[in-house]
Amino acid sequence: GNSVTQMEGPVTLSEEAFLTINCTYTATGYPSLFWYVQYPGEGLQLLLKATKADDKGSNKGFEATYRKETTSFHLEKGSVQVSDSAVYFCALSLYNFNKFYFGSGTKLNVKP
Amino acid sequence: GAVVSQHPSRVICKSGTSVKIECRSLDFQATTMFWYRQFPKQSLMLMATSNEGSKATYEQGVEKDKFLINHASLTLSTLTVTSAHPEDSSFYICSATLGLAGDEQFFGPGTRLTVL
Repeated sequence: GNSVTQMEGPVTLSEEAFLTINCTYTATGYPSLFWYVQYPGEGLQLLLKATKADDKGSNKGFEATYRKETTSFHLEKGSVQVSDSAVYFCALSLYNFNKFYFGSGTKLNVKP
Repeated sequence: GAVVSQHPSRVICKSGTSVKIECRSLDFQATTMFWYRQFPKQSLMLMATSNEGSKATYEQGVEKDKFLINHASLTLSTLTVTSAHPEDSSFYICSATLGLAGDEQFFGPGTRLTVL
């Protein structure tokens, strides 16, 4: 089957710390991989994506590399800010991006 | 970017009543909309896919007679929870796409349903 597993939260970091949120997946085909972010009271927003193996998605200082050999798509940021506090969802999609499978979400708290 | 709204943001209802949740694409026409359900600390679970003018496609295990979906126009889809029970209490999220291969999904802010 198709599924996404992410590390449980919450993750609490001090400002300027290094962030890693692990994400692994299982898929019956060749998925595209996404990270979405949800700020309090708002909808999910696309943070970054990668559509094939070895692609690196990046946005706003966040990066994730599509690793087919380890079926992973870990999210990283070198220096987090308080404004990065949110819930992060890893997701995969198959077949023209019309069906998404989400991880359970990881809440990030960044303290000043 | 594309904006999707949901109304209401929160609703509390009595057991046995029906509740309608609206999902609108505000600045684009959405050929396909999706309805998700999210339990606390759990994944978003896809409930159904709706295409404008046709019947919704429900995921396995989702009761189509309980969760009625209508996609009457290119900017509006509705989810009606019929004869709601406390176990239907959840966070319901909709999303929309332009329908082209490779397009991302744009998500609404979600609706918190509490059934007493």
